[in-house]
Amino acid sequence: GAVVSQHPSRVICKSGTSVKIECRSLDFQATTMFWYRQFPKQSLMLMATSNEGSKATYEQGVEKDKFLINHASLTLSTLTVTSAHPEDSSFYICSAKTQEDTEAFFGQGTRLTVV
Amino acid sequence: GNSVTQMEGPVTLSEEAFLTINCTYTATGYPSLFWYVQYPGEGLQLLLKATKADDKGSNKGFEATYRKETTSFHLEKGSVQVSDSAVYFCALSALSSGSARQLTFGSGTQLTVLP
Repeated sequence: GAVVSQHPSRVICKSGTSVKIECRSLDFQATTMFWYRQFPKQSLMLMATSNEGSKATYEQGVEKDKFLINHASLTLSTLTVTSAHPEDSSFYICSAKTQEDTEAFFGQGTRLTVV
Repeated sequence: GNSVTQMEGPVTLSEEAFLTINCTYTATGYPSLFWYVQYPGEGLQLLLKATKADDKGSNKGFEATYRKETTSFHLEKGSVQVSDSAVYFCALSALSSGSARQLTFGSGTQLTVLP
C-alpha cells in the first residue's frame, strides 16, 4: 500500500512555544490530507481537511489560528500548533488520499507533550 | 449525519479464542467500511475493508462482512494470538461536503490476548 510518513514521532515542547508536524505522502500524490487528534482511550477526532493549494477546512470547535495547516504541495502537509499549552498534549495523526480513492493512508502519528 | 457505533471494550481473551467485535453504522448513500488496527505507540493501519453490500473483507485471519440490511460490519477472527493485542477501530467513508470522502471512526475497542 501507499506510504505516509509523519515526523516527528514524538516531541516535547515548553508551554507557549510552537511545534510543527509534517505529513508526507512518499509514493503518491495526495490531493487531500486529514489531520486528527486522539485523546487517551478515545477515538480519532477529525480536526481539519486540507486540499492542496487551498485553505484548510476546520471542524467545528477547532481553532484555526491555533492549529495552522499548510498543504503547499501534493506530497506535504504541515500542522503547526501555535502557543502550545499542556491541554494540547495529544496524539496527532495525519492521513492522505487521492481525490477519487475511498481509502486513506495514515502516518505513524506524533505524540505531543507540552510541559 | 454519519456515525459508527462500536462495541465497548476492553475485551480480554485467551489465546486461540474466538473474537467478535461488533460495529454498526448510520450513513447516507453507499459508504465504504473499514477496520483499522492501532498497535501501542503506532498510527493506524488498515486491516480490511469492504466497499459494497455483501462484500467480505479479510486479512491476517480477520474477516468482516458488509451487511446493508443490518447496517453492520462486525469483525471476527477464529483464533486470536497474543500479537493481535491492539485497539481496533471501525470506520466508514461516505460522501461529505466537498470532493473528499472523510472517515468517520467508532470509539475503538481495546483487545488484550493473554497467553
